[in-house]
Amino acid sequence: AQSVTQLGSHVSVSEGALVLLRCNYSSSVPPYLFWYVQYPNQGLQLLLKYTSAATLVKGINGFEAEFKKSETSFHLTKPSAHMSDAAEYFCASGGSYIPTFGRGTSLIVHP
Amino acid sequence: DTGVSQNPRHKITKRGQNVTFRCDPISEHNRLYWYRQTLGQGPEFLTYFQNEAQLEKSRLLSDRFSAERPKGSFSTLEIQRTEQGDSAMYLCASSPAGFQSNEQFFGPGTRLTVL
Repeated sequence: AQSVTQLGSHVSVSEGALVLLRCNYSSSVPPYLFWYVQYPNQGLQLLLKYTSAATLVKGINGFEAEFKKSETSFHLTKPSAHMSDAAEYFCASGGSYIPTFGRGTSLIVHP
Repeated sequence: DTGVSQNPRHKITKRGQNVTFRCDPISEHNRLYWYRQTLGQGPEFLTYFQNEAQLEKSRLLSDRFSAERPKGSFSTLEIQRTEQGDSAMYLCASSPAGFQSNEQFFGPGTRLTVL
């Protein structure tokens, strides 16, 4: 069975600082991996996805993630945080038609 | 592009009452999913449909929960004899046919509060 672990339930950064949200997956085969963002009282919106075409994936809003098989990781980064990035971020693993979601990381951005 | 819609957005009910939620997926998507999300948690899979066929149900889906997608378009999720533990956000998502790598498109959710 696949599982996804997001390290840190909360990450706090200053506006303009680097954002790093961590995700590790557990899978016996290379999975499909996704990052979603959720703003308060809204559904999830796809930021980016990995489908084995390229290990560095660029997404919307300046986010990107790098698939590292040796570390079983798919960490999400953004060079410079903006106040509007404050939200809940979820990593998810595919490989079947039913993805497995992590518990989420709340990104807090300080002015 | 109208996206995935869910109604109602909020529902407050008393314990023991029945509630029904509706989800309208993106029109060309043949897969439809229901999730439950509680505070501080990621979405938990409940069930999914391919067209009108319900292909899988989670063990989280007790016999008080039932979902339908009668014509392969909109879906309903009914909870009978609601309990306080049913209080959560219920999310619907749809996905196009074909690949396991296809991402899901989520609706805004229905927030259920059971008093």
